[in-house]
Order: sequence, then structure tokens, then C-alpha cells
Amino acid sequence: EVQLVESGGGLVQPGGSLRLSCAASGFTFSSFAMSWVRQAPGKGLEWVSTISGNGGSASYADSVKGRFTISRDNSKNTLYLQMHSLRAEDTAVYYCAKEGLPRALLYYFDFWGQGSLVTVSS
Amino acid sequence: EIVLTQSPATLSLSPGERATLSCRASQSVSSFLAWYQQKPGQAPRLLIYDASNRATGIPARFSGSGSGTDFTLTISSLEPEDFAVYYCQQSSTFGPGTKVDIK
Repeated sequence: EVQLVESGGGLVQPGGSLRLSCAASGFTFSSFAMSWVRQAPGKGLEWVSTISGNGGSASYADSVKGRFTISRDNSKNTLYLQMHSLRAEDTAVYYCAKEGLPRALLYYFDFWGQGSLVTVSS
Repeated sequence: EIVLTQSPATLSLSPGERATLSCRASQSVSSFLAWYQQKPGQAPRLLIYDASNRATGIPARFSGSGSGTDFTLTISSLEPEDFAVYYCQQSSTFGPGTKVDIK
């Protein structure tokens, strides 16, 4: 059974930093790209970042480029999102999501974590 | 960058009725389109990929169609658990969503 469990969310002041983690199980982690998708309160889904299965390729939404870094540790089956220079508009539930096909990038997301709430406020 | 437009924004229907949701892409995406269902407080769930393929465990009342720029998600007969928000997705872009609520 595929499981994705996010952690690391919380309250942070504007300009602060936070690192999210997503522990994966139930599939061959290194074979699949992984993504972060966020949802601001009462709003729709917004893609944030994607990393390839071997970690060699990453892409970012313009809204987070230069502030967020996606990474993965395939030996620990864990995905990360390091967030710096956080702004109020980064307040959202952050979901990690698994790519639907091996070696595909941004094709479709077949499993999602339960989400981790990040609140940026003073 | 591709823009996805969903219509209507809200669809008010009764259980047992047929729901027809539309997703339009600003340029052709071939059949590379997925649909998700999201209920309050829950993560999105994959319903349809490649425009018309049901994901594992998705009931047959859900069907997808279309190619190019125009796509449709149809729920043949609404069950109480189907009242939710539905999103289409192509690559890094999500549509704004259609809320299906109880009339």
C-alpha cells in the first residue's frame, strides 16, 4: 500500500525558513518523480515543485523559484522541501504527490499525502 | 504556459442526476489531462488520467472524454459521496475547479 506522510509544517514568521518532509512507502521510491502541490485556505491547487526519481532534475513554480529547494534522499525514501524567505502568501497546506508513471515528469499524480499546514504570520 | 478553464464554477444537482463538468485548455494538450476529486479536509484523489482512463478503484459512474483542448468529466448518476470539488490538471497546471453541491 502506497503511503505518503508529510511533516514539518507549522507557524513561521515572515522571512523565516521551514523544511517539510514526506516519508514514502509501498513503492520503489527512486523510480518515481515526486512533487509538492500547495493549497491556500479556500483556494485551488497550485503546483510548487517536482524532482526526478534520481534527484538529478528539478523544476519550480515562478512564485517560489529562488526561495524553495526540493530534494530527496532515496536511501531514506524521503522527499523534502526547504523553504526560505517565507511570505504570507506562502500560507497553505502543502501536499507531496507521487508521479503516476515511472520516469515520467508532471504527467499525473496517483497518490497524495494528507498535507502539512504552513502558516506564515507574525 | 497552458491555461486550464473549468466550467461551470458551481454545479448544483440532486443525487441520482448526471453531472457534466468541462475543462478547456488554452492550447492542445493531446490527451494528457487528468481529473481529481477533493472533499473538504482531504487530499485530492486521482479519478481519470490520459483524459479517459479511470484510476484504480474509481467507480464506473465516473468517465472522462475529450482530446486537444476540450475535455469532459461525467458522473452518470451522482451518489451522496460525489459532492466535492473537481480539478483538471495538465503538467504543472491545475484548473480552478468545479464545485458539485447538493441542490
